[in-house]
Amino acid sequence: GAVVSQHPSWVICKSGTSVKIECRSLDFQATTMFWYRQFPKQSLMLMATSNEGSKATYEQGVEKDKFLINHASLTLSTLTVTSAHPEDSSFYICSAPGRGRSPDVYGYTFGSGTRLTVV
Amino acid sequence: GNSVTQMEGPVTLSEEAFLTINCTYTATGYPSLFWYVQYPGEGLQLLLKATKADDKGSNKGFEATYRKETTSFHLEKGSVQVSDSAVYFCALSRSSNTGKLIFGQGTTLQVKP
Repeated sequence: GAVVSQHPSWVICKSGTSVKIECRSLDFQATTMFWYRQFPKQSLMLMATSNEGSKATYEQGVEKDKFLINHASLTLSTLTVTSAHPEDSSFYICSAPGRGRSPDVYGYTFGSGTRLTVV
Repeated sequence: GNSVTQMEGPVTLSEEAFLTINCTYTATGYPSLFWYVQYPGEGLQLLLKATKADDKGSNKGFEATYRKETTSFHLEKGSVQVSDSAVYFCALSRSSNTGKLIFGQGTTLQVKP
């Protein structure tokens, strides 16, 4: 089935440094990738939508300069948390329309998530 | 705006017990409704879905019926197993193309042998 591989699964970094999270669609082409953030005991919140070959679309309130998204190919999207601070500590999850087609039929394929801790 | 509300967890059941996880939504028009499951250490997986009123989604013994009159999409299973222990998310999508899923806060299910 459709698989999205997300790395790293967890990362600890120092304040002020940048962290890159990668999501790869392994057996299908993902022209679109969605990036979510989840705080403990809270819902997943959509941060941005990346589209291959064009600029990402950010949700209201999400800082574009802090959360840099790149969708360089049909199988790779990256999220870079720049100048990370402790309040950026969270669980980040990517997803793509299942099998690259209508998500209403096939659902969305999610990565396993990245636990970011900024110290 | 659009929103999804789930019952708070954790829900702790004994094996073979009946499960209900409540989910209600607020949305204009006719959203698509989903249940996703997240097993420990894994990504979210689509469990079942319904795209129009009165549709019943089902998978792995789980069922949920799209009730427009009560704006609900409650998840049920007649006999849970230890392997069903996971976090369950109810979600809605207003458009099949934007990919903007709106999630509930998730409900943790713990099934004890």
